[in-house]
Amino acid sequence: DTAVSQTPKYLVTQMGNDKSIKCEQNLGHDTMYWYKQDSKKFLKIMFSYNNKELIINETVPNRFSPKSPDKAHLNLHINSLELGDSAVYFCASSQGQVQYFGPGTRLLVL
Amino acid sequence: AQSVTQPDIHITVSEGASLELRCNYSYGATPYLFWYVQSPGQGLQLLLKYFSGDTLVQGIKGFEAEFKRSQSSFNLRKPSVHWSDAAEYFCAVVVGGTGGYNKLIFGAGTRLAVHP
Repeated sequence: DTAVSQTPKYLVTQMGNDKSIKCEQNLGHDTMYWYKQDSKKFLKIMFSYNNKELIINETVPNRFSPKSPDKAHLNLHINSLELGDSAVYFCASSQGQVQYFGPGTRLLVL
Repeated sequence: AQSVTQPDIHITVSEGASLELRCNYSYGATPYLFWYVQSPGQGLQLLLKYFSGDTLVQGIKGFEAEFKRSQSSFNLRKPSVHWSDAAEYFCAVVVGGTGGYNKLIFGAGTRLAVHP
């Protein structure tokens, strides 16, 4: 009965690789988000989709490409990974003002 | 620009003691305010929210928060802390994003340690 789920939970990869993180929500929400939490625990929004349409793009490098195949899924693809991409990535969904978060994906770029 | 400030990076309390975590926001309109908790290695869990009405709001796990417009504050409180409350606490405000859609702006977080 998980509300917002993410896979994988951990991701260790080399610089220059391409990787994807998947997110699914079973809450029936229309809006989904990606947030990045850096090593100092600071959380910042990256993207938001509403009904499969991109509505927020917070000056994220274009190596990051979100994709929403349907309103229950929002995936994040990252090209040419860099050391600075190491972080925890959180997916969230909302219907209205309250956002519900997934467990996070811990990405480590070596 | 809209912002959220949590002045205390790290707080340590004894188990059973009372707790207050501070949060100040900068936002022109009536804010929608939230407190989230992140336990070690876990995701973010919503503790409570304020949209309007009674300025003292109750949340889960025995937490409450008080909205004070005159001080632009939304401080989180708990009368008696349990060891399991050790976690990172984030205050957040919803602000208007592009095209009328909203986004959450987070404070930097306060790490709570609980001594037995």
